[in-house]
Amino acid sequence: DIHMTQSPSTLSASVGDRVTITCRASQSISSSLAWYQQKPGKAPNLLIYKPSGLDSGVPSRFSGSGSGTEFTLTISSLQPDDFATYYCQHYNSYSWTFGQGTKVEIE
Amino acid sequence: EVQLLESGGGLVQPGGSLRLSCAASGFTFSSYAMSWVRQAPGKGLEWVSSISDTSIGTYHADSVKGRFTISRDNSKNTLYLQMNSLRAEDTAVYYCARPMPQPPREFDYWGLGTLVTVSS
Repeated sequence: DIHMTQSPSTLSASVGDRVTITCRASQSISSSLAWYQQKPGKAPNLLIYKPSGLDSGVPSRFSGSGSGTEFTLTISSLQPDDFATYYCQHYNSYSWTFGQGTKVEIE
Repeated sequence: EVQLLESGGGLVQPGGSLRLSCAASGFTFSSYAMSWVRQAPGKGLEWVSSISDTSIGTYHADSVKGRFTISRDNSKNTLYLQMNSLRAEDTAVYYCARPMPQPPREFDYWGLGTLVTVSS
């Protein structure tokens, strides 16, 4: 089984900061990765897929990159609406795996 | 507009059963695989089960294999999750989600979720 590990688990930042979240796979997964944002009490929302395609309606301050075993989600200038928890996700052979999540908090 | 609406959650005793439903609208339901993803209180996301568009293929996480069964009725645009032998660790919000056809098979639409609480 492939395991996905996100870092950090919690991130404190201020509005306007550049923020980077890392997702590492236990083995190479090519470019097969997606990112989600989840706010408290709400369903997750797809941000990025494969691993740099921006989903429809997602602001351009979000970007994704990486391949192999290391991937990053970057928010170029953190906005008040971006304080949330972020998850990476991989798919392989009819099994979906999520990272444990990264909570972005107000510093 | 794509909509997914879960129902059927509630309080159930350990060892009991529950059936969740997900009513889909706004897209051709019979053309898409569908999935269930859960989230225990204060925890992360966990994929539970998926089913192909024609129901030929069904897939379950090891944590629920043999206890949960996913099914669908394309004539009713509805997805189901039959949950048997429920345990305290199955307590979670259960989301219905639509995976895209190609890897990474990201979930592009999610329902609002339904809460399942397993407790005596």
